[in-house]
Amino acid sequence: EDQVTQSPEALRLQEGESSSLNCSYTVSGLRGLFWYRQDPGKGPEFLFTLYSAGEEKEKERLKATLTKKESFLHITAPKPEDSATYLCAVQPPTGRALTFGSGTRLQVQP
Amino acid sequence: DGGITQSPKYLFRKEGQNVTLSCEQNLNHDAMYWYRQDPGQGLRLIYYSQIVNDFQKGDIAEGYSVSREKKESFPLTVTSAQKNPTAFYLCASKNWDSLEKLFFGSGTQLSVL
Repeated sequence: EDQVTQSPEALRLQEGESSSLNCSYTVSGLRGLFWYRQDPGKGPEFLFTLYSAGEEKEKERLKATLTKKESFLHITAPKPEDSATYLCAVQPPTGRALTFGSGTRLQVQP
Repeated sequence: DGGITQSPKYLFRKEGQNVTLSCEQNLNHDAMYWYRQDPGQGLRLIYYSQIVNDFQKGDIAEGYSVSREKKESFPLTVTSAQKNPTAFYLCASKNWDSLEKLFFGSGTQLSVL
């Protein structure tokens, strides 16, 4: 059974305090790992797709990396507007839907 | 603009009542999905459909039903058998078996009166 575990459940940072969110996964034949951002009461917004170990992608203050067992979302010098829940999901082999983790709720204080 | 439209945004259910959540997409995607999200939790798969007139149960299908009569539409009915329906419901779509991102609607918050 596919499993995705995100940590920490919640994270409070001061503005400018860099940190990382973790997504550990167990899936046979990973085809892709996705990161989404979700604001309260809204649908998730796509951030990144990673396909193979060693791959990295960046967007503004966010950088996602992937190993064979986990992915990290690094947040550099965060701002209050980065406050949201960050969701990780894995795409297993053909014929199965995405499996999501429970998310990390990030709060960035000014 | 292409996208996914969910309605209503808020819905209230009386005990013993069935309610239907609407999901329409104009992205020409063949696959559509329903997820449930409880407060502080991730997304759990209820049902998904690869193609018109076909759908499969996800991890938490009990108490829910769906139909897929048109490519654009994938309504979800929350039946009276679902004893704890209060949650945020998200509809999504993409092309089946592609590695492209999953597109989400804006969600429906269902509460019990």
